Amino acid sequence: DADVTQTPRNRITKTGKRIMLECSQTKGHDRMYWYRQDPGLGLRLIYYSFDVKDINKGEISDGYSVSRQAQAKFSLSLESAIPNQTALYFCATEDTTYYEQYFGPGTRLTVT
Amino acid sequence: GQNIDQPTEMTATEGAIVQINCTYQTSGFNGLFWYQQHAGEAPTFLSYNVLDGLEEKGRFSSFLSRSKGYSYLLLKELQMKDSASYLCAVTPHSGNTPLVFGKGTRLSVIA
Repeated sequence: DADVTQTPRNRITKTGKRIMLECSQTKGHDRMYWYRQDPGLGLRLIYYSFDVKDINKGEISDGYSVSRQAQAKFSLSLESAIPNQTALYFCATEDTTYYEQYFGPGTRLTVT
Repeated sequence: GQNIDQPTEMTATEGAIVQINCTYQTSGFNGLFWYQQHAGEAPTFLSYNVLDGLEEKGRFSSFLSRSKGYSYLLLKELQMKDSASYLCAVTPHSGNTPLVFGKGTRLSVIA
């Protein structure tokens, strides 16, 4: 089984809808991240969490919120989806020995 | 501020050697990663450099010069499956701030 899983893998939604992307991990890492990736722009950090009680904004947090329900679960919500949030979204965990990140398979989100 | 530069695209021939460069200016430095990402897939770990010098792992090698803020990834005996994006990422401090990623270099391997 994969160490970092994301659901759904693909989602098409309409402008104005609220949507939640979920991430679960079995690596036992305290640190978790949400990124979006757009062609030519690389990975951009949305939110990150160093433990269950710690939530931090990344460089592009506007229009997004997160919830860290447990060490293993970190969810990303789009409160009111807009077309320019169409992107590939990745969740990642991080070990604190070498700070290597382990990525989930990604969620392809399309907002129409 | 944090800044990582790497070329946007490169093309190389199957069987050849290619070097992908990365320069960085970050507020502190704890280590540098290279990740490989095939189109539409998740990034996967390739290498990690903390000290100056060359780290070799099979067909892939990574070099770091901390004084110059410079790294490169060297891919030997290129194969078609090496066509992917290669992401350079830096840990700015002793792990208390997130990884900073470059925008990636898209490598195309041609026959």
